Amino acid sequence: DQQVKQNSPSLSVQEGRISILNCDYTNSMFDYFLWYKKYPAEGPTFLISISSIKDKNEDGRFTVFLNKSAKHLSLHIVPSQPGDSAVYFCAAPFKTSYDKVIFGPGTSLSVIP
Amino acid sequence: NAGVTQTPKFRVLKTGQSMTLLCAQDMNHEYMYWYRQDPGMGLRLIHYSVGEGTTAKGEVPDGYNVSRLKKQNFLLGLESAAPSQTSVYFCASSATTGWVYNSPLHFGNGTRLTVT
Repeated sequence: DQQVKQNSPSLSVQEGRISILNCDYTNSMFDYFLWYKKYPAEGPTFLISISSIKDKNEDGRFTVFLNKSAKHLSLHIVPSQPGDSAVYFCAAPFKTSYDKVIFGPGTSLSVIP
Repeated sequence: NAGVTQTPKFRVLKTGQSMTLLCAQDMNHEYMYWYRQDPGMGLRLIHYSVGEGTTAKGEVPDGYNVSRLKKQNFLLGLESAAPSQTSVYFCASSATTGWVYNSPLHFGNGTRLTVT
């Protein structure tokens, strides 16, 4: 049972337009979320995060929105650039018997020049 | 600053063979992790370490062993490889545990392992 879901395996967007990547979660205990970006043959790198006490966090062209009632977050990239083409993972830290970070399956974004 | 370095980058094993994946970090991080990435499943935690000399099981530990003899190194061992262990393996480190704010994971570039 995936607690962090990214239901779109892939997304294609024109350069200059907005990219919206979605993430849904099932565990209401999650209170912090991160987005990681991964290029082929490289490891994921941290992109942006949001705490559950906020509904929006912005960093340059990247904005993450959190809707707690819907258990949904989204990553907006405006404007999209070809260098943004990568796989994006949504992740949520969770404290069980150990400190665990649960990753979604990822969404592959292609930005077309 | 190299960050997190994994060796080797690629490896092909036959069923039953053994191997060790090496991870080294130069950021003086306390916490180190081994993840595997499989299509459609995101990254899953295999084992982790909260400091030199410690190891603990993650989500999918079966078939793997780990050791953290030095703070900067975290080794992942496969004693008897199986085709189900074909995957991309990522090592990561963090200054504190992954759920603490402003302490994201720093990943290596991965090891692609194929078991035939």
